[in-house]
Amino acid sequence: DTEVTQTPKHLVMGMTNKKSLKCEQHMGHRAMYWYKQKAKKPPELMFVYSYEKLSINESVPSRFSPECPNSSLLNLHLHALQPEDSALYLCASSQSAGSPYNEQFFGPGTRLTVL
Amino acid sequence: AQTVTQSQPEMSVQEAETVTLSCTYDTSESDYYLFWYKQPPSRQMILVIRQEAYKQQNATENRFSVNFQKAAKSFSLKISDSQLGDAAMYFCAYVGGSQGNLIFGKGTKLSVKP
Repeated sequence: DTEVTQTPKHLVMGMTNKKSLKCEQHMGHRAMYWYKQKAKKPPELMFVYSYEKLSINESVPSRFSPECPNSSLLNLHLHALQPEDSALYLCASSQSAGSPYNEQFFGPGTRLTVL
Repeated sequence: AQTVTQSQPEMSVQEAETVTLSCTYDTSESDYYLFWYKQPPSRQMILVIRQEAYKQQNATENRFSVNFQKAAKSFSLKISDSQLGDAAMYFCAYVGGSQGNLIFGKGTKLSVKP
């Protein structure tokens, strides 16, 4: 199984809502990543989890709150978002973080629209 | 800091023809990997091909091959016998150093004409 799954596929939320994005992999990978991708732009790294611990936070606003309950799951909790946060949110995983040798496998993404 | 540059925002190719997408990068690392990712309109980012910097031989995967010029820091992707399903955004990416985080180029949108 070389699949990274993400739910939901689409999400529309108001600026006062609280929602969560979910990501799951069963490849035994110990590194998981959240990226934000605007239209016609490359993905931008948001967070990296290594062995279920947050290892990198790329100066992401606190209205985005990541969580890694176990080695297979990665959540992104959303609260008080702004319309400019509307984007495709991609999850990825790799065998480990901190190495150039590990291929990242991407999920299909969640298309988020903030009204 | 490492950078990845894709100088062709858009490219077009006739079905069954060959097209080459360009990528250059800048790094002071000696150990790194280079990747080409494909992102079709369905959004799933798919790895097309990868190249290890210490390998001189160019990587190939079926119709996809790279021209890796380490001294010139160039990493182009050649697609042979282009198919309609090849139409997508192609991202060149670099990973190296201790962090192991992907650094993407801005992407090249490839159109395939029937």
